[in-house]
Amino acid sequence: DAKTTQPTSMDCAEGRAANLPCNHSTISGNEYVYWYRQIHSQGPQYIIHGLKNNETNEMASLIITEDRKSSTLILPHATLRDTAVYYCIVRVAISGTYKYIFGTGTRLKVLA
Amino acid sequence: EADIYQTPRYLVIGTGKKITLECSQTMGHDKMYWYQQDPGMELHLIHYSYGVNSTEKGDLSSESTVSRIRTEHFPLTLESARPSHTSQYLCASSAPAPLGETQYFGPGTRLLVL
Repeated sequence: DAKTTQPTSMDCAEGRAANLPCNHSTISGNEYVYWYRQIHSQGPQYIIHGLKNNETNEMASLIITEDRKSSTLILPHATLRDTAVYYCIVRVAISGTYKYIFGTGTRLKVLA
Repeated sequence: EADIYQTPRYLVIGTGKKITLECSQTMGHDKMYWYQQDPGMELHLIHYSYGVNSTEKGDLSSESTVSRIRTEHFPLTLESARPSHTSQYLCASSAPAPLGETQYFGPGTRLLVL
């Protein structure tokens, strides 16, 4: 049962910022939001994660709304190699560890 | 980032054969996971392990079995492959809690059962 909803697909011009939205209205207070991407059905690649504060790393920025019901992944200068399926995931605690609940993701196409 | 390996990357096999998909990681991570992904679909957790001699079933019912005899190794076995087992199988491991338990994935094994 996916806890996130994302648009099925998006296009972005090369060099522009790609803003990928995600709704997670049923998220609990201690559940993290993770973003991964998957290129050509390879293994998912970790991008970034957060709980309530905005986060930034060398790949992307993550903006989480104050009520935590939605978030946006920002790729500041998209390149053709950023074309992939992007998954917004809620990490849920299970006994002794965590599991990721994947949705169907957003297929981002970066256009030249 | 974890170094995590899966072999084979692609496997085409006939119905009824026994297969083992290998997964190994070199980071000393205690927790490891197997996910199944059908083409164009989301990943589903099928097995996980807290550490040596620990195996647990995930959300998606699977006829596969796993073992964890060594920390670095988490193989998945299908005793008798069927066409319904055709899918991509992804292995992951996660760093310990102080490092956030982020999961790192291997490249996957694409299985086709004829």
